[in-house]
Amino acid sequence: SYDLTQPPSLSVSPGQTASITCSGETLGDKYACWYQQKPGQSPVVVIFEDSKRPSGIPERFSGSNSGNTATLTISGTQAMDEADYYCQAWDGTTEILFGGGTKLTVL
Amino acid sequence: QVQVVQSGAEVKKPGASVKVSCKASGYTFIGYYMHWVRQAPGQGLEWMGRINPKNGGTNYAQKFQGRVSMTRDTSINTAYMELSRLRSNDTAVYYCARGSSNSWDLAYFDYWGQGTLLTVSS
Repeated sequence: SYDLTQPPSLSVSPGQTASITCSGETLGDKYACWYQQKPGQSPVVVIFEDSKRPSGIPERFSGSNSGNTATLTISGTQAMDEADYYCQAWDGTTEILFGGGTKLTVL
Repeated sequence: QVQVVQSGAEVKKPGASVKVSCKASGYTFIGYYMHWVRQAPGQGLEWMGRINPKNGGTNYAQKFQGRVSMTRDTSINTAYMELSRLRSNDTAVYYCARGSSNSWDLAYFDYWGQGTLLTVSS
């Protein structure tokens, strides 16, 4: 079965760059998207189709996808960016997959 | 504006069934797939399946095949997810989410419901 793997946690200092990875076999041949989820809230898409930002998402959020790895990059990380982040992609058949999630701590 | 509003929390006993509703507004209901995603306490997101509101066609994750049923009522712009033979590990928040595209590869979830907490306990 197809899997998406993310690091469970990542810590960054305010103002630094956070890079969250999502690995899957030939993931670069598919589109990846990313969701931000804060405690008690529904997820919000921050990147879709590898690198596109929905309206209202700050420019400090960017994405890339190549080879076996998609990456969500948050430049100039702010305290408000502390959240869980999930990647999502199609498995190539008839299912959609999520990565296990990465807890981003800003301290 | 687009809104997706789900039914309220449920408490069920093991072996029972639950049916969660998801009412859409602010867009053409039959124009977008509706997906269901669940999240167990402290865990990640898990895709359960999708329904095409236009014709009722469904795709279910293999894990839930035979236990989940997704339906819709186009007269009231509402999608439903029914899960049967409930177990304690079905305790989770269940979300409906609109698919941005009907294409598998391009689909992401652009509008989410507020979530419905299902507790399965004897």
